[in-house]
Amino acid sequence: QVQLQESGPGLVKPSQTLSLTCTVSGGSISSGDYYWSWIRQPPGKGLEWIGYIYYSGSTYYNPSLKSRVTISVDTSKNQFSLKLSSVTAADTAVYYCARGATMKEAFDIWGQGTMVTVSS
Amino acid sequence: QSVLTQPPSVSAAPGQKVTISCSGSSSNIGNNYVSWYQQLPGTAPKLLIYDNNKRPSGIPDRFSGSKSGTSATLGITGLQTGDEADYYCGTWDSSLSAGSVFGGGTKLTVL
Repeated sequence: QVQLQESGPGLVKPSQTLSLTCTVSGGSISSGDYYWSWIRQPPGKGLEWIGYIYYSGSTYYNPSLKSRVTISVDTSKNQFSLKLSSVTAADTAVYYCARGATMKEAFDIWGQGTMVTVSS
Repeated sequence: QSVLTQPPSVSAAPGQKVTISCSGSSSNIGNNYVSWYQQLPGTAPKLLIYDNNKRPSGIPDRFSGSKSGTSATLGITGLQTGDEADYYCGTWDSSLSAGSVFGGGTKLTVL
């Protein structure tokens, strides 16, 4: 079955860029059947959608984060990545990658999540 | 402040039934499918309900979803201690600030 696994640094300094990668196993991003997304959850708080990418490279970002977010895809490695620039303590969160059948539909498979702390 | 409004907490005894509400607007719930997620402590969210009332394979029929107008409801019957978790509703918002949105989450306590 399809599995997603997040990876990247657990600690990022303020004003720097947070970079994470999601590796997809058991299925191909290139199939074009799904949209691939990033979602985050600050400690003790709710879920916040960050953005989507399609295998073609088309993206759609949360308007509140759009100026700082870049999501990219590497179909040869079956991975997609998140970059969030100019981070502050408010960006401290568990970051999840997830799969959705379309842009507007449910997220049916999630990664286990990775905690990223923004601190000097 | 979440786009979708959920009660912070609900509680019920084992074996009983509980419902969790999710309120939105015409730009989100009113015109898009609603999904529900269960998040057990320390784990990733898990899809419980999609397209308002459909259950993915492996989700027991104790879990149900419904939608009416700009509100949605998750129902859980035959409560078990293992159902203690945070529950989130989600949908697409088609407003000028379009995107996927979630409720603030509801903590279910099985007394």
